[in-house]
Amino acid sequence: QVSLVASGGGVVESGRSLRLSCAASGFTLKNYVMHWVRQAPGEGLKWVSLMWSDGNTKFYEDSVKGRFLISRDDSKNMFYLEMRSLRAEDTAVYYCVKDSRKTSVNLVIDVWGQGTTVTVSS
Amino acid sequence: FMLTQPHSVSESPGKTVTISCTRASGGLASYYVQWVQQRPGSAPVTIIYEDFHRVSGVPDRFSASIDSSSNTASLTISALQPEDEADYYCQSSYNNRAIFGGGTKLTVL
Repeated sequence: QVSLVASGGGVVESGRSLRLSCAASGFTLKNYVMHWVRQAPGEGLKWVSLMWSDGNTKFYEDSVKGRFLISRDDSKNMFYLEMRSLRAEDTAVYYCVKDSRKTSVNLVIDVWGQGTTVTVSS
Repeated sequence: FMLTQPHSVSESPGKTVTISCTRASGGLASYYVQWVQQRPGSAPVTIIYEDFHRVSGVPDRFSASIDSSSNTASLTISALQPEDEADYYCQSSYNNRAIFGGGTKLTVL
C-alpha cells in the first residue's frame, strides 16, 4: 500500500524557519519525482516545489525560490521541505505528493499525503 | 491560472455533469492532464491520470477526455451521487512545474 505521511507543521512567527517531513511507505522515494503542494485556507491547490529522482534537479515556485529547500534522505525513505523567512502568505496545508515519473517535464501526480498545517503569525 | 475551470457547477442526483479545464497557452495534448477530487475536510485524491485513465477503485461513472481543437480537458460524472459532492481540480505541467486549475466546486442538489 503506497502512502505518504507528512509532519512538522505548526504555528511559527513571521521570519522564522520550519522543516516539514514526509515519510513514504510502499514505494522507494528516490525512484520518482516528488512534489510539495500547498493549499491556503479556503483556496485551491498550488504547486510549491519538486525534485527529480536524480536528487539534484529541483524546481521551485517563484514566491518560495531562495527561501524553501527541497531534499530527501534515501536511507530513511523520507522527503523534506525546509522553509525559511516564512511569511503570512505561506500559511497553508502542505501536502507531500508522489509523481508517477522518474524525471519528466510531463508531470503526473498520482498519490497524495494527508497534509500538515503551517500557520505563520505576524 | 493557466488552466481555467468553472468556479462551480451543480446538478441533481442521478444526472450527468461535465467539468471543463481549458489551457491558456501551450498545447493541452502535449502534456498529460490529471483530475483530482477533494472532498470537504479531506486530502486531495487523484481519480483520473494521463488524460483519461481511471485510478483503480474509481467508479466508471467518472470519465475524462481531451479536445485538442479547443485546448480543453473534460471530466464527466454520470449517475451523480451525494458523495460526489467535492472540489475537482485539473492538473498538468508547464515549464518543469506542475500546474493546477482553480478548482470547481460540485454541488449535488
